[in-house]
Amino acid sequence: EAQVTQNPRYLITVTGKKLTVTCSQNMNHEYMSWYRQDPGLGLRQIYYSMNVEVTDKGDVPEGYKVSRKEKRNFPLILESPSPNQTSLYFCASSLSRGALQPQHFGDGTRLSIL
Amino acid sequence: DAKTTQPNSMESNEEEPVHLPCNHSTISGTDYIHWYRQLPSQGPEYVIHGLTSNVNNRMASLAIAEDRKSSTLILHRATLRDAAVYYCILRDLGSGNTGKLIFGQGTTLQVKP
Repeated sequence: EAQVTQNPRYLITVTGKKLTVTCSQNMNHEYMSWYRQDPGLGLRQIYYSMNVEVTDKGDVPEGYKVSRKEKRNFPLILESPSPNQTSLYFCASSLSRGALQPQHFGDGTRLSIL
Repeated sequence: DAKTTQPNSMESNEEEPVHLPCNHSTISGTDYIHWYRQLPSQGPEYVIHGLTSNVNNRMASLAIAEDRKSSTLILHRATLRDAAVYYCILRDLGSGNTGKLIFGQGTTLQVKP
C-alpha cells in the first residue's frame, strides 16, 4: 500500500532534549516536505526537499533541521526543542514539486515540549 | 501567491449532494485549482484538481467558473465519512513553484445522519 509513515505518532518531551521525527515513503517520490499545524495558523511548511541531498527552507524553518540521505526518508530534527515547537507535524511526499502532482501526507506526529 | 476564500463551515445531510464554494478572484493563468481535505486525526488528503474545465473523479467533481475566479467542489452523495475540513488551494505551474501547499482555514463540513 502506498503510504507516508511518520514515527512517533505522539511524543511528550522536555525542553532541550534532542529529538528526531522520522518520515518514510514507499512511492519512490522525489519531493518531500514537512509542515506544522497550529490552531488559527493552519498548516505551514517547515522544510522541503526536491531530491536526495537537496533541501531548502520553507516558511518556518527556525529551530529545525532536516536531511535527505536516501530518497525514501526525510527526518525532521529538533536539536534543542522549545515549548513553542509544541505542534502537530505532517510529512508529505509527491512525485515531484510540480503543480500537477498530488501530495500524500502522513497521519501526523503530535509533539508536546514541556 | 493568489489567495482563496472559503466559508468557515457548512452543514449537509447524509446522502445529499454538497457544494463547497471557493473564491479566487486573483487567480493567474498558470494557477491550478486543487482541493484537499483533512479528516479528523489524519493528514490532508488530495481530492481533485483542475485548470479550466470541469473535472470528475471517484471522490468528487470540480466545477470551475468560466472566468476562473471561483470554483465549487461537489460531493454527490455525502456520507458521514466526508465530515472533514476542505481546503481549496492554488498551485502555480511556473518554474518558481517550490511545491509548497498554501493552506487557508478551509471549510469545516458537518454531515448529519
